[in-house]
Amino acid sequence: ETGVTQTPRHLVMGMTNKKSLKCEQHLGHNAMYWYKQSAKKPLELMFVYNFKEQTENNSVPSRFSPECPNSSHLFLHLHTLQPEDSALYLCASSQDLLWGSILEKLFFGSGTQLSVL
Amino acid sequence: ILNVEQSPQSLHVQEGDSTNFTCSFPSSNFYALHWYRWETAKSPEALFVMTLNGDEKKKGRISATLNTKEGYSYLYIKGSQPEDSATYLCASNNDMRFGAGTRLTVKP
Repeated sequence: ETGVTQTPRHLVMGMTNKKSLKCEQHLGHNAMYWYKQSAKKPLELMFVYNFKEQTENNSVPSRFSPECPNSSHLFLHLHTLQPEDSALYLCASSQDLLWGSILEKLFFGSGTQLSVL
Repeated sequence: ILNVEQSPQSLHVQEGDSTNFTCSFPSSNFYALHWYRWETAKSPEALFVMTLNGDEKKKGRISATLNTKEGYSYLYIKGSQPEDSATYLCASNNDMRFGAGTRLTVKP
């Protein structure tokens, strides 16, 4: 148990659906991240939030819309996705931003396996 | 090197074998190098955060070394056990760019 919980574990959606992924961390961390793992590709950083403010948007299409209502919760709202968006979406947190301290490390959730039909 | 690269992509060893794999990263503007272990159906878990050239970290049978001047890190596993089977990821702390990982399978 890493202290980072993601729901749902699995999600199947059509291209016209709207769905949301949820991430909650119980570690008192200030920074939260969304990563995407496509088949046979490295983990790709999508979004970074620090103290609820978005600090990074790694050229992610607007059909992915993050929301961070407080430091413990992070959402990824999905709409009009494409089949190529099928992937494992991982949430992570760290006490403070990784590039703010050399001692920081990421705590990951178990991910949401997303299939877009 | 512009990206973080890991080799080999996959590795199969027998229980009891010792093994190692490589992470190469951009050596300019180096900040820190992370190693994570990712077991199937679980969350990636931090193994080491390394910062200094020549640094060596150890956790049980797993150890790692760092060469920041030439931009590489080695991860060693001594006396591999089936429970070591996982994907091992490294990431550069400049921008937390991850390598594709080395998938290790240890056969009993």
